[in-house]
Amino acid sequence: SQELEQSPQSLIVQEGKNLTINCTSSKTLYGLYWYKQKYGEGLIFLMMLQKGGEEKSHEKITAKLDEKKQQSSLHITASQPSHAGIYLCGAYYTDSWGKLQFGAGTQVVVTP
Amino acid sequence: GAGVSQSPSNKVTEKGKDVELRCDPISGHTALYWYRQSLGQGLEFLIYFQGNSAPDKSGLPSDRFSAERTGGSVSTLTIQRTQQEDSAVYLCASSPSSGYNEQFFGPGTRLTVL
Repeated sequence: SQELEQSPQSLIVQEGKNLTINCTSSKTLYGLYWYKQKYGEGLIFLMMLQKGGEEKSHEKITAKLDEKKQQSSLHITASQPSHAGIYLCGAYYTDSWGKLQFGAGTQVVVTP
Repeated sequence: GAGVSQSPSNKVTEKGKDVELRCDPISGHTALYWYRQSLGQGLEFLIYFQGNSAPDKSGLPSDRFSAERTGGSVSTLTIQRTQQEDSAVYLCASSPSSGYNEQFFGPGTRLTVL
């Protein structure tokens, strides 16, 4: 979706290092979802953010929503091989009832 | 409980043939969605069903694509006269209701059109 820009497109991180993925919307978000996908598998739900300034954490993954910038960031602390995969942000907009619009995805590779 | 299931997991077909892809949503979920994931296009919405309401077909790329949902449960996505550009992973998702809810995704069907 051109309305949802995700960056970087890919990144390689050494095990134990931190990483951040950004998702920026060109219009007002109703809600922002983060999913993870491994090759040959469906999307695994990570987190949902709806309110400006909201921040959620699960294990070593933290996601934040900056309402002013219409941007969300996903931060992984002390990356592990299990964090490798494709991370996708998906957005709900008020004019697209029920339809998630996705960013292009970020491929994360974790090296030893 | 059982998640969303899709079949087949892989499908190879010849250009011009028709294909049917199946999705079994999570029991009790009234909303069902189809998406397509292809190289260079990312993940794009195709169609969604909510209960007995008319489906939102706004994402279907051409009239060769159609989908139905029988009995408010299983859904079939049909692609007629397949073209090479139809090659992609087709993902199905369901949610307890439509609107701004988490969507639970199936593993997808990888379609290859030769």
